[in-house]
Amino acid sequence: DGGITQSPKYLFRKEGQNVTLSCEQNLNHDAMYWYRQDPGQGLRLIYYSQIVNDFQKGDIAEGYSVSREKKESFPLTVTSAQKNPTAFYLCASSEGDSDTQYFGPGTRLTVL
Amino acid sequence: GENVEQHPSTLSVQEGDSAVIKCTYSDSASNYFPWYKQELGKRPQLIIDIRSNVGEKKDQRIAVTLNKTAKHFSLHITETQPEDSAVYFCAASASGGYNKLIFGAGTRLAVHP
Repeated sequence: DGGITQSPKYLFRKEGQNVTLSCEQNLNHDAMYWYRQDPGQGLRLIYYSQIVNDFQKGDIAEGYSVSREKKESFPLTVTSAQKNPTAFYLCASSEGDSDTQYFGPGTRLTVL
Repeated sequence: GENVEQHPSTLSVQEGDSAVIKCTYSDSASNYFPWYKQELGKRPQLIIDIRSNVGEKKDQRIAVTLNKTAKHFSLHITETQPEDSAVYFCAASASGGYNKLIFGAGTRLAVHP
């Protein structure tokens, strides 16, 4: 899991602003995922991508958008439409034929 | 819909005791069950996993058991140490063919010296 990086570690945003969270992996994994973690709760899936130029909505996609232009990169944009964006965001990846997911270090987003 | 329930939400043990965390899943098609350990502010780390063709798996002080009939699986930690203190998450694979995991809400384990 050391091959998955997220930046920045901490991010502050004013209400009404869009913000993009970075996720990069050098593991040559085909699949990538974005999760949201709130205090005292499990991980909820926002978006996932199985291959380049393809992605699908997860359970809580409203107010978020993604792109997958390169195999190594899966950025997440938190838009102003997301009503409660303050959370810890985790990116993960897995090999195409494996269901074992490895996580990045996370980005803590705070809306001021 | 697909759901994973995890109990207890908090667990406090004395160093050297055993700890058991239990999860129940709803999707009968689930066939992969990982356990993650997350220390405060850090990423979840995979500590052990089990597949549906196996009933039990051990790795040193950690073991996982699976009862497919009852649709529940458990994490067992023996000889607990203070460094075992963390939040533990169970997960179950979801049907749909895209390696989706459904996570439990987590168990906060505190091991007291």
